[in-house]
Amino acid sequence: EVQLLESGGGLVQSGGSLRLSCAASGLTFSSYAMSWVRQAPGKGLEWVSSLTGSGGTTYYTDSVKGRFTISRDNSKNTLYLQMNSLRAEDTAIYYCAKSPFEYYGSGRKLYYYYMDVWGKGTTVTVSS
Amino acid sequence: EIVLTQSPGTLSLSPGERATLSCRASQSVSSNYLAWYQQKPGQAPRLLIYGASNRATGIPDRFSGSGSGTDFSLTISRLEPEDFAVYYCHQYGISPPFTFGGGTKVEIK
Repeated sequence: EVQLLESGGGLVQSGGSLRLSCAASGLTFSSYAMSWVRQAPGKGLEWVSSLTGSGGTTYYTDSVKGRFTISRDNSKNTLYLQMNSLRAEDTAIYYCAKSPFEYYGSGRKLYYYYMDVWGKGTTVTVSS
Repeated sequence: EIVLTQSPGTLSLSPGERATLSCRASQSVSSNYLAWYQQKPGQAPRLLIYGASNRATGIPDRFSGSGSGTDFSLTISRLEPEDFAVYYCHQYGISPPFTFGGGTKVEIK
């Protein structure tokens, strides 16, 4: 069974930094694209960032570009989100999630960036 | 950026009734890369549907997805007590940003 466990959330002042971690088990971690999705209190879901299995390609929503960095350590089966210059509007539950892929033509890999497994989330609160 | 608009915001129904949720995109969703998730209070979202109409593993067949282009829907054929929750659509097209709709809450009437 695939399991994702986030950690690293907490209370931080505006302008501060946090690093979130997501420990994965039950899968060949390096094969899968991973993502962070957040949910502000009482609000809907917001995609934050994704990266490919190797970590070589990363994507960000505009509001976090230049402030957040997604990365992974495939030897430790762990996904990270380094969050700098935090703002009150970054307050949310942060979920990590796994995305599926398939091979096509000559062994090329196609990632599908929907989320088929989710962690339980970690809460980030930014005080102003 | 593709904006997803879900309607209605809240759907009040009784167990056993049929629920139809709508998700409209501001532009065509490439290859029908549209997913649906269910979220209950205090829980993480759960994948229901991907590729507009494919049920995820373990999802009961009372859940079905349909649509293409800019108009998509999720249908729950007969509501069970455990189906009362918030539902989100999500487009994961060829390039980011990968956006979510604002959600539809299905509540007990």
